[in-house]
Amino acid sequence: DGGITQSPKYLFRKEGQNVTLSCEQNLNHDAMYWYRQDPGQGLRLIYYSQIVNDFQKGDIAEGYSVSREKKESFPLTVTSAQKNPTAFYLCASSDTGSREKLFFGSGTQLSVL
Amino acid sequence: GNSVTQMEGPVTLSEEAFLTINCTYTATGYPSLFWYVQYPGEGLQLLLKATKADDKGSNKGFEATYRKETTSFHLEKGSVQVSDSAVYFCALVSSARQLTFGSGTQLTVLP
Repeated sequence: DGGITQSPKYLFRKEGQNVTLSCEQNLNHDAMYWYRQDPGQGLRLIYYSQIVNDFQKGDIAEGYSVSREKKESFPLTVTSAQKNPTAFYLCASSDTGSREKLFFGSGTQLSVL
Repeated sequence: GNSVTQMEGPVTLSEEAFLTINCTYTATGYPSLFWYVQYPGEGLQLLLKATKADDKGSNKGFEATYRKETTSFHLEKGSVQVSDSAVYFCALVSSARQLTFGSGTQLTVLP
């Protein structure tokens, strides 16, 4: 079945630690996105990538980094510079011709120990 | 800039009740409007969309009409079910081609 797989489902970070969230898609989509979801708030765009080896900052990129070495993979690293990392992180992808129709993964809940 | 304002939740209804979730927007140009739904523990799924004024999007008994004069895109369903319990997000995309989401409205339907 085609879809987006995020892992792990739950992740814990210690102070000063970098952690990486995985996102893989087999939909053959060019564009991929990372969103952060906080309780009572909408989704906020962290980074997006429209093509392999290229990515752009979203609205809240500080403290995060990404890479797009393969079309199907778009990992997100939450660095120690992100002072409030506890949130639900959602990865999404879309076809180049239909960028507003996003397909989402099931998310990763990141918590700080 | 673009923004989406949704009615605050949570909303709790009995099964078969009528549902309205209000959504208004601010955007430049002529945005396309969307409702996404997030079931517990899952990512978001596109529920319905409308791309121009007076268009009505519909899916699974839900409807929303693009009202340019009131800049609104309210979500309605005539008879909700327990399985409709979820968080509903209103969203828009304008010329920048990136989605802007509202804050989400939690709906709980009781049997």
